[in-house]
Amino acid sequence: AQTVTQSQPEMSVQEAETVTLSCTYDTSESDYYLFWYKQPPSRQMILVIRQEAYKQQNATENRFSVNFQKAAKSFSLKISDSQLGDAAMYFCAYRSAISNFGNEKLTFGTGTRLTIIP
Amino acid sequence: DAGVIQSPRHEVTEMGQEVTLRCKPISGHDYLFWYRQTMMRGLELLIYFNNNVPIDDSGMPEDRFSAKMPNASFSTLKIQPSEPRDSAVYFCASSPRTDTDTQYFGPGTRLTVL
Repeated sequence: AQTVTQSQPEMSVQEAETVTLSCTYDTSESDYYLFWYKQPPSRQMILVIRQEAYKQQNATENRFSVNFQKAAKSFSLKISDSQLGDAAMYFCAYRSAISNFGNEKLTFGTGTRLTIIP
Repeated sequence: DAGVIQSPRHEVTEMGQEVTLRCKPISGHDYLFWYRQTMMRGLELLIYFNNNVPIDDSGMPEDRFSAKMPNASFSTLKIQPSEPRDSAVYFCASSPRTDTDTQYFGPGTRLTVL
């Protein structure tokens, strides 16, 4: 079974600065997807960024980028130019790419609470 | 699109009562997922459907929980009888067939069982 670990329960960053959230995972599969979801106080789970394991290029979405290290099974999220609206819980998630029934579920980490300091 | 719709947003009930949570997935999405979020266990999958058929219900805690998807635009998660330990936020998510790797979440239902 796959596991996802987020070792930082809480992080804080000064507004306009850069912060990196860590995520590691364990799997025996070679093809899979990784995600970062954001959960603000409204509780809504919002997709921030996704990475396909077979792609070596790191995914980017505006101020959000990832550092995907497949061999190390590491998937960190970098937020540049942090804004007050970035304050939220951030969850790392794994999904197998094997198209068998039962593999479509997401496995989540425990989350990192990010605080933005004005 | 309106996104995944869940109702109610908040539910407070007493122990022993029946609770029904509802979900309308994004139109055209073939996959529907029910997750539960608690402080102790984090986010965990309860059950998911493909084309209205339950595929994996191994996460359903016990027989008090049941889920149905009578058609492509509606699903329910029922707890009967409810217990205080069922208090949690329940999320519904859907995913399109052609892009089954990305799940889109509803706003969640916060359930409190007294």
